[in-house]
Amino acid sequence: GNSVTQMEGPVTLSEEAFLTINCTYTATGYPSLFWYVQYPGEGLQLLLKATKADDKGSNKGFEATYRKETTSFHLEKGSVQVSDSAVYFCALGNNDMRFGAGTRLTVKP
Amino acid sequence: SAVISQKPSRDICQRGTSLTIQCQVDSQVTMMFWYRQQPGQSLTLIATANQGSEATYESGFVIDKFPISRPNLTFSTLTVSNMSPEDSSIYLCSVESGGSFTEQYFGPGTRLTVT
Repeated sequence: GNSVTQMEGPVTLSEEAFLTINCTYTATGYPSLFWYVQYPGEGLQLLLKATKADDKGSNKGFEATYRKETTSFHLEKGSVQVSDSAVYFCALGNNDMRFGAGTRLTVKP
Repeated sequence: SAVISQKPSRDICQRGTSLTIQCQVDSQVTMMFWYRQQPGQSLTLIATANQGSEATYESGFVIDKFPISRPNLTFSTLTVSNMSPEDSSIYLCSVESGGSFTEQYFGPGTRLTVT
């Protein structure tokens, strides 16, 4: 079946540090992959997406590349800000939606 | 994209009572979804609600506990019935952007605490 495994947190970084949150998936066929972000007290917002192999999704300085050979979709940002503090969810869409467990990121000034 | 609102945004309820959560979308959508997010956990799909048909429930969720209405293409309700403290969660509705699970847009959630 479809499933998503993402790096568990919490992750604490200093401002301007490099961020990587790992995400791997299991799926049949050709799923779409997503990263959602949940800021404190809010619902989920779509951060970025990729719909086929080798696609790179990007938004607000975040990037993730759909790697079919490694079944991965790792989230990266070169320089995080305090305002990036949130919970990040990797998700897979393939006849249904599956979410990872979420990774809480805290960025300290 | 779609703009989704939920009411109430939060509530504190006594065990044994029921709460109905409303979800309103600013455009017509075919499929709406209800999720539960327990404290510190990921999202779990409760059910899929299509207009004009019975909701489809995921394993572990039943209609008697979580009745859903979908009277039109812009509105849905989820009722949490006979609540217990284990029902304390954030309840989220979402809609698809169009196409099979290409992406979903989420409401702000309803934070429910059962005492």
